[in-house]
Amino acid sequence: QVQLQESGPGLVKPSQTLSLTCTVSGDSISNDKYYWSWIRQSPGKGLEWIGLVYSGGKTYYNASLKSRVLLSGDTSKSQVFLRLNSVTAADTAVYFCARLVSKFGDFYFESWGQGTLVTVSS
Amino acid sequence: SYVLTQPPSVAVAPGKTATITCGGNNIRSKIVHWYQQRPGQAPVVVIYFDGDRPSGIPERFSGSNSGNTATLTINKVEAGDEADYYCQVWDSTDDHVVFGGGTKLTVL
Repeated sequence: QVQLQESGPGLVKPSQTLSLTCTVSGDSISNDKYYWSWIRQSPGKGLEWIGLVYSGGKTYYNASLKSRVLLSGDTSKSQVFLRLNSVTAADTAVYFCARLVSKFGDFYFESWGQGTLVTVSS
Repeated sequence: SYVLTQPPSVAVAPGKTATITCGGNNIRSKIVHWYQQRPGQAPVVVIYFDGDRPSGIPERFSGSNSGNTATLTINKVEAGDEADYYCQVWDSTDDHVVFGGGTKLTVL
């Protein structure tokens, strides 16, 4: 059974870069049956999709974040990375990584990490 | 961009049926997935591809999709079903994942 674990700083200063790692166990991120994604949830709010990355390196991003976000992966370490530049208080959220199943050109989130809270504050 | 609209809250007595809707323009042309999120936990998929149930999800959970509304139905609601529920689609026009705003299910 796949397990996903997010890690990274819990506090980031405004205007700096938020960097998170998702470590995948029980599967390889090079498995071309799956995609890998980041989602965030601001305190008391709903889910916001950030983007997804495929084993071949193809990426899709939320248009509202595209200018500031970069997703990548390291297959040797089975890790997926999120970088979000120029953060503000509005980026304070719990950040989840998740595994996506793709079928018939559609996607759903099959497995999720437990999430990690990132606070943007000076 | 595609928008999914959910009621903010639904309340139901134990043993009754909860119906949570997800509205979208011609949503029947899309495939809808549903997630349950209990407080302090990560979401869990309860329905995928409109009406399929992952292993471990009770048969009390079902989904449908027609016209401009997709529906998650929970029969014989239990206290443990109290959670936030989100619908989700893939918008192939923009290559985007879209979530509904979420519905808080309260078991009275």
